[in-house]
Amino acid sequence: EPEVTQTPSHQVTQMGQEVILRCVPISNHLYFYWYRQILGQKVEFLVSFYNNEISEKSEIFDDQFSVERPDGSNFTLKIRSTKLEDSAMYFCASSVRLAGDNEQFFGPGTRLTVL
Amino acid sequence: KDQVFQPSTVASSEGAVVEIFCNHSVSNAYNFFWYLHFPGCAPRLLVKGSKPSQQGRYNMTYERFSSSLLILQVREADAAVYYCAVCTNAGKSTFGDGTTLTVKP
Repeated sequence: EPEVTQTPSHQVTQMGQEVILRCVPISNHLYFYWYRQILGQKVEFLVSFYNNEISEKSEIFDDQFSVERPDGSNFTLKIRSTKLEDSAMYFCASSVRLAGDNEQFFGPGTRLTVL
Repeated sequence: KDQVFQPSTVASSEGAVVEIFCNHSVSNAYNFFWYLHFPGCAPRLLVKGSKPSQQGRYNMTYERFSSSLLILQVREADAAVYYCAVCTNAGKSTFGDGTTLTVKP
């Protein structure tokens, strides 16, 4: 069964450093998403992406964040200058369609720890 | 502000029917999604829709601003966090805080 994969599973970085979290969506999916979950808190939407453009983003997704699909398979989330409060689990998801009936398939997540 | 509300915990006993309720204040809401999440694993979609639906032991009720997930014949292995999410036509999903289900043998 096809699945979304994410690398690395755990990333440790120093405050102020840039990190890139990588995701490989399911191959025939066209829409891509990032979510985060701070420890002990709920899953929060960050951004949706389609046709090489951001479709929608939340207020969390500020100028420190960017997303990119550098090639035909990877979908990346970059945090330019990490802060302590960026420590969280980051989930990537993908779906075939965007509007309404979009079953999103989630990856296993990358745990980001900012020291 | 778009918000989704669900109880933080629900307790049950094996074999019972469990109901987890969810309501929301999301503008332009289109669909409900119910996810199962075991910590350390990917959230897994259980059931979804803009009408009542069923997938195996999982039933979903639907009203415009609320939904319930019903788990039939609940087992100890069902103990996990269940997320209600509401999606708009623009593809933005708003998640609830999650409901931790505990199941007594």
